[in-house]
Amino acid sequence: KAGVTQTPRYLIKTRGQQVTLSCSPISGHRSVSWYQQTPGQGLQFLFEYFSETQRNKGNFPGRFSGRQFSNSRSEMNVSTLELGDSALYLCASSLRPGVDYGYTFGSGTRLTVV
Amino acid sequence: SQQGEEDPQALSIQEGENATMNCSYKTSINNLQWYRQNSGRGLVHLILIRSNEREKHSGRLRVTLDTSKKSSSLLITASRAADTASYFCATDARGGGSEKLVFGKGTKLTVNP
Repeated sequence: KAGVTQTPRYLIKTRGQQVTLSCSPISGHRSVSWYQQTPGQGLQFLFEYFSETQRNKGNFPGRFSGRQFSNSRSEMNVSTLELGDSALYLCASSLRPGVDYGYTFGSGTRLTVV
Repeated sequence: SQQGEEDPQALSIQEGENATMNCSYKTSINNLQWYRQNSGRGLVHLILIRSNEREKHSGRLRVTLDTSKKSSSLLITASRAADTASYFCATDARGGGSEKLVFGKGTKLTVNP
């Protein structure tokens, strides 16, 4: 079966702009989590969605938001981009919500803010 | 702050040798997971070990968990060049009505042919 699909793979944006990243989970998986990976901070949790509801949220400013659709596809949005938002954004899906099961990650979207 | 801390930060070995990576964490856990990441790509789930388990095997992988020492180790036996990647441990962090996986900074493993 198809894995987790993230689009686009690469993105270059200018400071102040906004960006939307997309994630399609594995078919049948209803839980989607988002992580930001940077060389300095490592992997940091952004948020988790299950059945179109945000279950958990990490410690990120309100410029970072997300949503999940009825088909479990998820999008995350970052508004008013800053240079520090440059990172690899990873989406992970799992059959059930929470942290008691392994996640399947997508290949990520590499965002560069200039 | 990071919950898990891997050690060493980098490891270079020859093909055929065993590789051992360690992970220490700070608070009590229900489970600990190990992931592999090839350069700039997504993470691949390797193994999950629950707090009531002490050891788990999957192919050439062996994971141990010592909850009294708050530590785990990942052993890759008979390593191959294809095992070259970064390896991360992740622990479940729960509190304040929230739960998430908290990753360490990872161990970068290089297996030389």
